[in-house]
Amino acid sequence: QSVLTQPPSLSGAPGQRVTIPCTGSSSNIGAGYVVHWYQQLPGTAPKILISGDTNRPSGVPDRFSGSRSGTSASLAITGLQAEDEADYYCQSYDTSLSPVFGGGTKLTVL
Amino acid sequence: QVQLQESGPGLVKPSQTLSLSCSVSGGSITSAGYYCSWIRQHPGKGLEWIGYMHYSGSIYYNPSLKSRATISGDTSKNHFSLRMTSVTAADTAIYFCARHEMSTDPFDPWGQGTLVTVSS
Repeated sequence: QSVLTQPPSLSGAPGQRVTIPCTGSSSNIGAGYVVHWYQQLPGTAPKILISGDTNRPSGVPDRFSGSRSGTSASLAITGLQAEDEADYYCQSYDTSLSPVFGGGTKLTVL
Repeated sequence: QVQLQESGPGLVKPSQTLSLSCSVSGGSITSAGYYCSWIRQHPGKGLEWIGYMHYSGSIYYNPSLKSRATISGDTSKNHFSLRMTSVTAADTAIYFCARHEMSTDPFDPWGQGTLVTVSS
């Protein structure tokens, strides 16, 4: 049971916009701790996609964006491409500053 | 460019101790602001943070694993290690090491991960 809640799977057609939600509580996201998003391609290690709620590291396409509101955060992907098919994880912190993760969302591009 | 590489036995017997090493290249583990974390991923499942070591020597663990996990650093070899005692099948996972610059900075970069199977 992960601390942060994500839907196990989502799908979208090429070119569409998809949003991956990450629901936390007043002990983590709601307490104001930042949210990071990672992309994990099959057989590889996770890679940072969005840091500090909304920041895209160098090299990450601007099709990816992050937002937060209250006890939740979201990752939006616009102009969905086949190469975006991957697992996506959100990560934040609890009140003891221990990193906590979402259970991951498997994104399928139809 | 900092790179990390995990190494260690791929098979550990139940009740024994799991020992892994994370070799760091392109940067020193004693560099200011350097945190080194261990994270694991059970097969087909999500991610679980195990703990981190800060360049100052302070170490912090996931409370759920604190009683069995030990993280340490070897500055002469520029690597840091994870030991986990009394392992069970529930510890079967891919173990990753990762770096972060502040305690609340994202894990970046990650090592490629190493699969540890606990089985007799």
